[in-house]
Amino acid sequence: EVQLLESGGGLVQPGGSLRLSCAASEFTFSSYGMSWVRQAPGKGLEWVSGIRGSGDSTYYADSVKGRFIISRDNSKNTLYLQMNSLRAEDTAVYYCAKDLWLRSVGGILDYWGQGTLVSVSS
Amino acid sequence: ETVMTQSPATLSVSPGERATLSCRASESVSSNLAWYQQKPGQAPRLLIHGAFTRATDIPARFSGSGSETEFTLTISSLQSEDFAVYYCQQYNNWPRTFGQGTKVEIK
Repeated sequence: EVQLLESGGGLVQPGGSLRLSCAASEFTFSSYGMSWVRQAPGKGLEWVSGIRGSGDSTYYADSVKGRFIISRDNSKNTLYLQMNSLRAEDTAVYYCAKDLWLRSVGGILDYWGQGTLVSVSS
Repeated sequence: ETVMTQSPATLSVSPGERATLSCRASESVSSNLAWYQQKPGQAPRLLIHGAFTRATDIPARFSGSGSETEFTLTISSLQSEDFAVYYCQQYNNWPRTFGQGTKVEIK
């Protein structure tokens, strides 16, 4: 069974940085695009960023472009999200999710982790 | 960006009844539309992709329809486990976007 396990969340001050990780197992990680999706407390889902299986193409929501960086280490089966210049409105549960189809990205998300909470507050 | 608008925000339905949820896109997304179900404290679960294709292990009471800008998720006979929040998502245009969700609650 596919497993996705996020880590790295926590409390950070406005303007600070945080790096999230997502450890993947039980599938050929390098063959699938991956995404980060977030959910503010009591709110809906927001797609944040996606990356191709090869890592050579990345995509971002306008709300995080220039502040967040998505990357992956296929040798470690791990996805990352480097979050800089954090704002209060970035407070959310951050999920990593896998694409259903080979070689797609940010499309149909068939497996999700359980999420990690990021709180931005002074 | 492509704005996805779901209606209604809340749908009150009795068990065994039919539920119809709508999703409208601000521009064409072709058939690149997915539906997800989310229960409290859980991650979303993929229900439908390609506007009408059920994901693995999704019961036949869930069906999707539509194309371009208008989409519908129908739950033919609501079971107790179906009371949840449902989101549509387009994956035709960048950035990918979700609707704001429809909560299906027990009437």
